[in-house]
Amino acid sequence: NAGVTQTPKFQVLKTGQSMTLQCAQDMNHEYMSWYRQDPGMGLRLIHYSVGAGITDQGEVPNGYNVSRSTTEDFPLRLLSAAPSQTSVYFCASSPDRGLDEQYFGPGTRLTVT
Amino acid sequence: GNSVTQMEGPVTLSEEAFLTINCTYTATGYPSLFWYVQYPGEGLQLLLKATKADDKGSNKGFEATYRKETTSFHLEKGSVQVSDSAVYFCALRRAGDYKLSFGAGTTVTVRA
Repeated sequence: NAGVTQTPKFQVLKTGQSMTLQCAQDMNHEYMSWYRQDPGMGLRLIHYSVGAGITDQGEVPNGYNVSRSTTEDFPLRLLSAAPSQTSVYFCASSPDRGLDEQYFGPGTRLTVT
Repeated sequence: GNSVTQMEGPVTLSEEAFLTINCTYTATGYPSLFWYVQYPGEGLQLLLKATKADDKGSNKGFEATYRKETTSFHLEKGSVQVSDSAVYFCALRRAGDYKLSFGAGTTVTVRA
C-alpha cells in the first residue's frame, strides 16, 4: 500500500512551458485535491475532485487544469508556466467528502525561471 | 468567508518545555477543526481533530480543545521532544464544504 504518490519530486521549467504533475493513490479514496504551499501562506487549494469524472475549482485555480478519469489518478496540468507558479505542490486524498482525514503525498517542488 | 489565523513563528524551545500554538478561526456555523503536522521533507499528516464545540482532540501528547465561545483551537503539549520539530498547521472545514482552509503554519524547533 503506497498511499499517495507524486512525481516528479523536483522540476525546473522555463516560462511558457507546460507540464503535468502526476498524483496517484491506491486506497480507493473518493476525494482528491491539489494544494500549493508558499512561505507564510499555508496551503491553498487549487482544484479538487469528489469522484471520477467530477472536478471543481478551489481558491487559486487560474493557470491549472485537472481531470479525473479514474479513481486512482488526479494529474495537475500547468498550461503555460509562470514564475508565480514556483511553489511546492501537494496532492491529497480522503476516503470521504467529509475530509475527516486527508492523506498527503510527499510533494513536488517546482521552479519556474 | 472561512479563515484561520495562527500564531506567527518561528518558535524555538528547549526539550521538555511546554508548547502552545494559538489558532483562531472565522466561520459560520460549526466547522470541524484540525491540526496537521509537516515534518522536514515530508507531506502533511493529520495530528488531531475536533468536530464539535468542547471536543478535545489528542494524539502523541498533543491536545487541542474546540472553544466555540472564543472561536479557538489552540494546540498544546506539556513536554516537547526534538522529534516534535516541524511545521504545524491549523485548518477548518465548514459543514457541507468539500474544502479545508489552512492557516499559514507555525515552524517549531526544539533544541536538545
